[in-house]
Amino acid sequence: SYVLTQPPSVSVAPGQTARITCGGDNIGSKSVHWYQQKAGQAPVLVVYDDSDRPSGIPERFSGSNSGNTATLTISRVEDGDEADYYCQVWDRGGEYVVFGGGTKLTVL
Amino acid sequence: QVQLVDSGGGVVQPGRSLRLSCTASGFTFSSYSMHWVRQAPGKGLEWVAIISFDGSKKYHADSVKGRFTISRDNFTKTLYLQMNSLRAEDTALYYCARGGVAFDAWGQGTLVTVSS
Repeated sequence: SYVLTQPPSVSVAPGQTARITCGGDNIGSKSVHWYQQKAGQAPVLVVYDDSDRPSGIPERFSGSNSGNTATLTISRVEDGDEADYYCQVWDRGGEYVVFGGGTKLTVL
Repeated sequence: QVQLVDSGGGVVQPGRSLRLSCTASGFTFSSYSMHWVRQAPGKGLEWVAIISFDGSKKYHADSVKGRFTISRDNFTKTLYLQMNSLRAEDTALYYCARGGVAFDAWGQGTLVTVSS
């Protein structure tokens, strides 16, 4: 089955840019979705189809996808962005779902 | 507004069964595929199952295939997960989620603990 690889943790100072990667075999040929999960809460979709944002998600959140790596970029990081972030794709012809292992974003 | 309310979790012995429910409101339930996603304590998200908008297609993760069954009732706007032959490794917070391109709405989760 398809495997998505994320770094366990990323740290960034407030106001700086955080980049969270999601690696997978030729992931650039798939659509990647990103979720933010704050402590004790359900996940929230922050980017879909590689780079689109749902309504209500700040423009500071953006995404890209090419080759074997997809990236979630959070600009001007705020304390409230501290959370776990998960990437997700569809597998097996769109019948199964795969999540990455998650990345804990720490705001220093 | 879109709302999903998960229920039915609890403490159950290994080998026993449990049925989870997810009640939807605020959108046309019968137009969307639906999913169950779980999260073991301190772990990441794991997809469990999907059901098509009309219930005609169902797919389950290999880890639960043959033991769990997803179903839905479009009249009562309710999603179900029948869990049989439960194992300790099934202990998790179970979320229902609205499908489509991505999971754009989630329930609050219901906790299942499998323990003797």
